[in-house]
Amino acid sequence: EAGVVQSPRYKIIEKKQPVAFWCNPISGHNTLYWYRQNLGQGPELLIRYENEEAVDDSQLPKDRFSAERLKGVDSTLKIQPAELGDSAVYLCASSRGLATDTQYFGPGTRLTVL
Amino acid sequence: AQSVTQLGSHVSVSEGALVLLRCNYSSSVPPYLFWYVQYPNQGLQLLLKYTSAATLVKGINGFEAEFKKSETSFHLTKPSAHMSDAAEYFCAVSWSSGAGSYQLTFGKGTKLSVIP
Repeated sequence: EAGVVQSPRYKIIEKKQPVAFWCNPISGHNTLYWYRQNLGQGPELLIRYENEEAVDDSQLPKDRFSAERLKGVDSTLKIQPAELGDSAVYLCASSRGLATDTQYFGPGTRLTVL
Repeated sequence: AQSVTQLGSHVSVSEGALVLLRCNYSSSVPPYLFWYVQYPNQGLQLLLKYTSAATLVKGINGFEAEFKKSETSFHLTKPSAHMSDAAEYFCAVSWSSGAGSYQLTFGKGTKLSVIP
């Protein structure tokens, strides 16, 4: 069974530039999560999808971040424009969505904003 | 909201020694608790989880954790450390954010170093 796939693995951009991250979850997982992990910290939830619907985006900085999950499968997270403080690892995870279900994580995209 | 506290951002043990990584949670309802491991430049991988069955949970790679409600703890242990255990470990609690939806809140992590 293929795991969660993310691309790119690394991205270096200048501040004020746009950037996008892509995630393909495990087949059959209806719930998809985007997390941000700052250096030396645990992951923090940005947004959660149940199928196509964003059911929790309270931690997503909506002035510059956007996300979509068309057809309830792949998802894209976008930042426009990027700021220096956005440098972090962006992790995508998927699960069946129940409280006891394991979330399976992708390898992440390490973003560096210069 | 729930929270998780991991005591010790960095733990060093000798190869073959006991590994003990501490996790305390705050939860107003019976929690579901998880331990994840993260190797450098990789995503998080589940080690084990507590889902209100047995309080002593066995996971992969020889790790286990014991849920102690009276102490609100879920410490991770391994009897004998191996060099390959060097990684960062995260404790997390699953909680309901309403309407049947659940999310994880992670601790800040403990980096484990194994000394040969």
